[in-house]
Amino acid sequence: GAGVSQSPRYKVAKRGQDVALRCDPISGHVSLFWYQQALGQGPEFLTYFQNEAQLDKSGLPSDRFFAERPEGSVSTLKIQRTQQEDSAVYLCASSLIQGADQPQHFGDGTRLSIL
Amino acid sequence: DQQVKQNSPSLSVQEGRISILNCDYTNSMFDYFLWYKKYPAEGPTFLISISSIKDKNEDGRFTVFLNKSAKHLSLHIVPSQPGDSAVYFCAACRTSGSRLTFGEGTQLTVNP
Repeated sequence: GAGVSQSPRYKVAKRGQDVALRCDPISGHVSLFWYQQALGQGPEFLTYFQNEAQLDKSGLPSDRFFAERPEGSVSTLKIQRTQQEDSAVYLCASSLIQGADQPQHFGDGTRLSIL
Repeated sequence: DQQVKQNSPSLSVQEGRISILNCDYTNSMFDYFLWYKKYPAEGPTFLISISSIKDKNEDGRFTVFLNKSAKHLSLHIVPSQPGDSAVYFCAACRTSGSRLTFGEGTQLTVNP
């Protein structure tokens, strides 16, 4: 597809369950970002990949959060032992490469609700 | 510590008039700034950006102004259209393509 694709669009899980969120970036985009957006707030940075290398994971809120991009394309954000405070929209973005006026292009997000 | 702030949660304007959305930042290391538009249940859509070496960038009805000394940027939409009604986010980063820091967003409503 032409844009960033995220699945599922909606996910409901019970507290304590593990969830996995998928992101398909724009073809050829080297950089991939994950953001978390709480209701009424702007997106907040979670982690960043350049190809398959995770170069920055300083925004991950706890060690229950794990992200990977093993082949430098599709990425998965995994949350273990989910808590109610994990309820948010999780956004994935990709850009061609760092530098040279490259904006990030976002997917429509996964809305995660923890019961 | 909110490094990017949009102090107006909402703005209402008449169709055809100018919309001005404001954004302030505190981190002097930021050198690339972007505006995104977001409709409900969709991801943010890139609108326009500006590098810190410029003070103005224009794209059709959208113009972004950057005042580095005041650490302030604004987005002007002229003329405003009802389809422009959305939440607008200001974002900043240290290098183009690096992690973005977002403001809280401003809900723009353009009335017919």
